[in-house]
Amino acid sequence: DTGVSQNPRHKITKRGQNVTFRCDPISEHNRLYWYRQTLGQGPEFLTYFQNEAQLEKSRLLSDRFSAERPKGSFSTLEIQRTEQGDSAMYLCASSLERGTDGYTFGSGTRLTVV
Amino acid sequence: AQSVTQLGSHVSVSEGALVLLRCNYSSSVPPYLFWYVQYPNQGLQLLLKYTTGATLVKGINGFEAEFKKSETSFHLTKPSAHMSDAAEYFCAARDSGYSTLTFGKGTMLLVSP
Repeated sequence: DTGVSQNPRHKITKRGQNVTFRCDPISEHNRLYWYRQTLGQGPEFLTYFQNEAQLEKSRLLSDRFSAERPKGSFSTLEIQRTEQGDSAMYLCASSLERGTDGYTFGSGTRLTVV
Repeated sequence: AQSVTQLGSHVSVSEGALVLLRCNYSSSVPPYLFWYVQYPNQGLQLLLKYTTGATLVKGINGFEAEFKKSETSFHLTKPSAHMSDAAEYFCAARDSGYSTLTFGKGTMLLVSP
């Protein structure tokens, strides 16, 4: 078990470009979560999947954001037409369904929009 | 909606001193409670959790936390700080029946020699 893996670790993009991040969860975890963390703040929930189904989306997830988890394995988070306000750390986490174990987080993808 | 409040964005202690990081939750029904630690440019690592049962829970690296329903609190303590404890600490809550964690804004622990 190699934990939760996120790629890339860092991404610098120009405003208006599209970016995609990937998350590989722990293999036996059927739940996968995306959070966003800005400087000086705690992680904020974006969306989560149970297997391949996207069960909940935060109002923070604007129409420019889309997430997928094909086949219930890895997940991708795409941001279209990036804005400077999208600059943040994007964290992926996974867990078992029962939920009392907490989440296992990846190291995150730091996005900088210039 | 659940909210988590961490009192103090920064806490400074000397090496060897007691560490106390405060966390309060808002819901009337006690949620599941968690403390995470984050080192620079890394993800969050679970320190400890409270779900049911014993209200004093022990975690990794010598940390422990006590759930107090009457105070809606889940404060994190460590008897003796070590330089390696310097990091940001996040308290999080998860309401029973819900899937998502709600985090506090975090407390940066600074440890001086």
